[in-house]
Amino acid sequence: EVQLVESGGGLVQPGGSLRLSCAASGFTFASYGMHWVRQAPGKGLEWISYISTSGTIYYADSVKGRFTISRDNAKNSLYLQMNSLRDEDTAVYFCARVRTDPYGGVYFDYWGQGTLVTVSS
Amino acid sequence: EIVLTQSPGTLSLSPGERATLSCRASQRITNNHLAWYQQKPGQAPRLLIYGASSRATGIPDRFSGSGSGTDFTLTISRLEPEDFAVFYCHQYGSSPPYTFGQGTKLEIK
Repeated sequence: EVQLVESGGGLVQPGGSLRLSCAASGFTFASYGMHWVRQAPGKGLEWISYISTSGTIYYADSVKGRFTISRDNAKNSLYLQMNSLRDEDTAVYFCARVRTDPYGGVYFDYWGQGTLVTVSS
Repeated sequence: EIVLTQSPGTLSLSPGERATLSCRASQRITNNHLAWYQQKPGQAPRLLIYGASSRATGIPDRFSGSGSGTDFTLTISRLEPEDFAVFYCHQYGSSPPYTFGQGTKLEIK
């Protein structure tokens, strides 16, 4: 059974840092790209970052230069280092596994339950 | 960036009825790179449809997706009590940005 479990969320002051983790099990982690997606309280979904199996990385403009995605295949883990946090970064952060369709499109087939990050003074 | 607009914002129906949810893109989506997700309160989104019309593993056949280009539809043929939730459309491709619609809330009438 595919499982994704996020951790590392919490309350942080504006300008502070947090490191989120996503522990994967039930599949060969190294064979899949991974995403981070967030959801502000009562709002919709926002894609924020993607890392491929080969290490290709993309970020949404809203987090570029502040957030860093990484992965450790030996530990079956995905990470998101978040620096210079702002009030508007308050959200539940989900990790999601990539599936690739025959045309190279990458959609999200499994999601973790999320971890809440609250940025507030 | 492709903007997705979902309608209606809220849909009130009864169990047993048919639900039709719409997702319109600001520009053509190539290769039908359009997915639908269902999200219940306090839960992660669940993949329903990918490639505009392919059901994900384990999704009942009362869920179906259709459309191409800029107009896409999610249809639930006969609503079950567990179907009521928020639904998001999502456009994806081989490179970002990947965007979501703002969601349609399907509530019990």
